[in-house]
Amino acid sequence: AQRVTQPEKLLSVFKGAPVELKCNYSYSGSPELFWYVQYSRQRLQLLLRHISRESIKGFTADLNKGETSFHLKKPFAQEEDSAMYYCALRRFGASGSRLTFGEGTQLTVNP
Amino acid sequence: DTGVSQDPRHKITKRGQNVTFRCDPISEHNRLYWYRQTLGQGPEFLTYFQNEAQLEKSRLLSDRFSAERPKGSFSTLEIQRTEQGDSAMYLCAGGTDVSDEQYFGPGTRLTVT
Repeated sequence: AQRVTQPEKLLSVFKGAPVELKCNYSYSGSPELFWYVQYSRQRLQLLLRHISRESIKGFTADLNKGETSFHLKKPFAQEEDSAMYYCALRRFGASGSRLTFGEGTQLTVNP
Repeated sequence: DTGVSQDPRHKITKRGQNVTFRCDPISEHNRLYWYRQTLGQGPEFLTYFQNEAQLEKSRLLSDRFSAERPKGSFSTLEIQRTEQGDSAMYLCAGGTDVSDEQYFGPGTRLTVT
């Protein structure tokens, strides 16, 4: 079974502060991890994926297989980062297969 | 804009009624996914189509739920004999073999009274 846990439903930081959104997973096979973001009144969209190792909008995430984590980090949060963030998992190499999402973390960046 | 549209955007129905939702991906999307999202939860997978073939179904998809993609283009999701527990946002996503990304539509919010 696949499971994704995001322990914080709400996270509030001040502009310019570092931010870390936690994601832990359980999966018996080899996982592929993603972060999706939903800005207010917009649709769900992909932010980044672990295999690309890109930095998108200043966000990075490293897959830690030992700790089964894929935390999302940004050194200096901006007000426009306020959104709902979902961590998601799927079976590695199975591009057509289902995504399993966590419950989401609502990030608020205060001025 | 991902190019994926869903209709209707909102649906209010009485318990026991049947409802049907439609998803229109762009023509390049040979893959199509349906997810359900209840309040405070992340999206949960319902079913997946590769062209017109339904390749995967979740156990969440009870026999009251049926999905089709008759010509490999648009898709419909029907819920028969709706229950209050069916109230949720129903999300559709399109994708291709090339990009490997799922592009989500705006969703259809169902309220069962």
